[in-house]
Amino acid sequence: EVQLLESGGGLVQPGGSLRLSCAASGFTFSSYAMSWVRQAPGRGLECVSGISGSGATTHYADSVKGRFTISRDNSKNTLYLQMNSLRAEDTAVYFCAKDVSWSYYDSRYFDYWGQGALVTVSS
Amino acid sequence: DIQMTQSPSSLSASVGDRVTVTCRASQSISSYLNWYQQKPGKAPKVLIYGASSLQSGVPSRFSGSGSGTDFTLTISSLQPEDFATYYCQQTYNTPRTFGQGTRLEIK
Repeated sequence: EVQLLESGGGLVQPGGSLRLSCAASGFTFSSYAMSWVRQAPGRGLECVSGISGSGATTHYADSVKGRFTISRDNSKNTLYLQMNSLRAEDTAVYFCAKDVSWSYYDSRYFDYWGQGALVTVSS
Repeated sequence: DIQMTQSPSSLSASVGDRVTVTCRASQSISSYLNWYQQKPGKAPKVLIYGASSLQSGVPSRFSGSGSGTDFTLTISSLQPEDFATYYCQQTYNTPRTFGQGTRLEIK
């Protein structure tokens, strides 16, 4: 059974940092691209970052470029999102999502999602 | 970025109704269009991928059609568990963008 379990969310002050983790199980982690998708309270979905199966290729939304870093440790079956210089508008539930493709740029759709981690940026 | 526009933004319907949701892309995306269902407090779940392919385990009352810029999601006979928010997503280009969502409510 595929499982994705996010952790690391919480309350952080503007300008602060937080690292999200997504522990994966039930599939060959290194064979699939992964993404982080966020949803601000009462709002829609936004793909903020994606990474290929090997970790060699990454992509960022303009809204987080230069502040967020996506990475993965295939030996630990874990996806990460390092978030720096956080702003109030980064407040959202962050989902990790598994792609059906290995390459992020060949992404087709997300077939499994985690339950989400809430990040609140407030003073 | 490719903009995805869904209509309507919200919809009231009754159990047993046939419902159609539309998604329009700001440029041609071929058939790189997916539909997700999201219930409150839960993660999205894929229903349709590649514009018209039904994801394994999804009831056959869900169907998708379209190509290029115009797409539709149809639920042939609404069931109580179908009341949720539906999102389209394009994977033709980066960034992968979603529509703003269509909230399906019970009439």
